[in-house]
Amino acid sequence: GAGVSQSPSNKVTEKGKDVELRCDPISGHTALYWYRQRLGQGLEFLIYFQGNSAPDKSGLPSDRFSAERTGESVSTLTIQRTQQEDSAVYLCASSSDSTRREQYFGPGTRLTVT
Amino acid sequence: AQSVTQLGSHVSVSEGALVLLRCNYSSSVPPYLFWYVQYPNQGLQLLLKYTSAATLVKGINGFEAEFKKSETSFHLTKPSAHMSDAAEYFCAVNSGGSNYKLTFGKGTLLTVNP
Repeated sequence: GAGVSQSPSNKVTEKGKDVELRCDPISGHTALYWYRQRLGQGLEFLIYFQGNSAPDKSGLPSDRFSAERTGESVSTLTIQRTQQEDSAVYLCASSSDSTRREQYFGPGTRLTVT
Repeated sequence: AQSVTQLGSHVSVSEGALVLLRCNYSSSVPPYLFWYVQYPNQGLQLLLKYTSAATLVKGINGFEAEFKKSETSFHLTKPSAHMSDAAEYFCAVNSGGSNYKLTFGKGTLLTVNP
């Protein structure tokens, strides 16, 4: 079946602009995660959605970052007033109720802030 | 708190040689441990996972890893490297409970020489 998809695959934006990144999880997966991967670094957890529970936002680096999820489907990560240090690959993952700890990743969105 | 240390940001082996990628973790509770592989410009693919069953875990593409509680390690091995194994490898930990977010190491880039 279809895997996790993300759009756009690449985004170049000017410093100070807002950006929206989209994630479509695997159908039926109740959990959705956003991670950030800076050049030469591992993945940093940003936010986690699980069903109708309140999201775990503990990884969001500042109040410029926010995310929403519609039910158990699409999620949007929004970065307001982008800064150069926001340049990174943003990865989305999803997992099912039966194998919650096994996360399936999308290809990522490469964000470049100029 | 949980953390992951991957020793060696870059490992180079010859084709046919043993691959050994090191991972040590810190977790206050019995962990769930994962190895992911990332090929250039792609998302992460799960190689294998440890979830408190057998301590020797076999994954895809001939990789395996052994959980050693006394050493807090989860090293990844493959007896004979192939050119197609060249990629970046990430070790990750989840400390159980109701939150399934992963904490990742910084990754090890594997180069396979002909």
